Amino acid sequence: AQSVTQLGSHVSVSEGALVLLRCNYSSSVPPYLFWYVQYPNQGLQLLLKYTSAATLVKGINGFEAEFKKSETSFHLTKPSAHMSDAAEYFCAVSGGDYKLSFGAGTTVTVRA
Amino acid sequence: DAGVIQSPRHEVTEMGQEVTLRCKPISGHNSLFWYRQTMMRGLELLIYFNNNVPIDDSGMPEDRFSAKMPNASFSTLKIQPSEPRDSAVYFCASQRGEDTGELFFGEGSRLTVL
Repeated sequence: AQSVTQLGSHVSVSEGALVLLRCNYSSSVPPYLFWYVQYPNQGLQLLLKYTSAATLVKGINGFEAEFKKSETSFHLTKPSAHMSDAAEYFCAVSGGDYKLSFGAGTTVTVRA
Repeated sequence: DAGVIQSPRHEVTEMGQEVTLRCKPISGHNSLFWYRQTMMRGLELLIYFNNNVPIDDSGMPEDRFSAKMPNASFSTLKIQPSEPRDSAVYFCASQRGEDTGELFFGEGSRLTVL
């Protein structure tokens, strides 16, 4: 079985500051890891995914995530926050099949 | 290309009424998922279809919930009778292939049962 834990339900950053969202996973098989973003009143949208290739994964909108097996982590970062980054972010894991297990989500607010 | 289309976007109904939510997946996608999102439970997978066949319905809460996919371009999720605890946002998502994890979500149907 696979599961993820997102550390921190809410993160507040200043515009231009680093965004760091933490995700730890548990998996009995090599994991496939994902970050999704949900803007208000919209569905989820894939930001990036890790599928056992490069451990540093680049996604859309300047986000990237690094897979660290030793730490069972897949943290999401963006060097400089923009007001448009305000949203809810979900980490998710699968074992390579159709079952995605989503974390509880982290809401990001960006202060001007 | 059009994304996943869900209707209605908002539904307010009274307890005991039948609710039908509809979904049109992206053309060419052969996997379809129904998820439910609530504050308390987060995102829950209700049912997964592959090539119009229900593969996993273990997440369907109880017999009041049913889902169909009569063809590759249409799916429904029905709740009968509805209860206040069914209030949630219901998402439909589609995917090309069976296991890529790259789900494309609709904008959701927000259901309120009074």
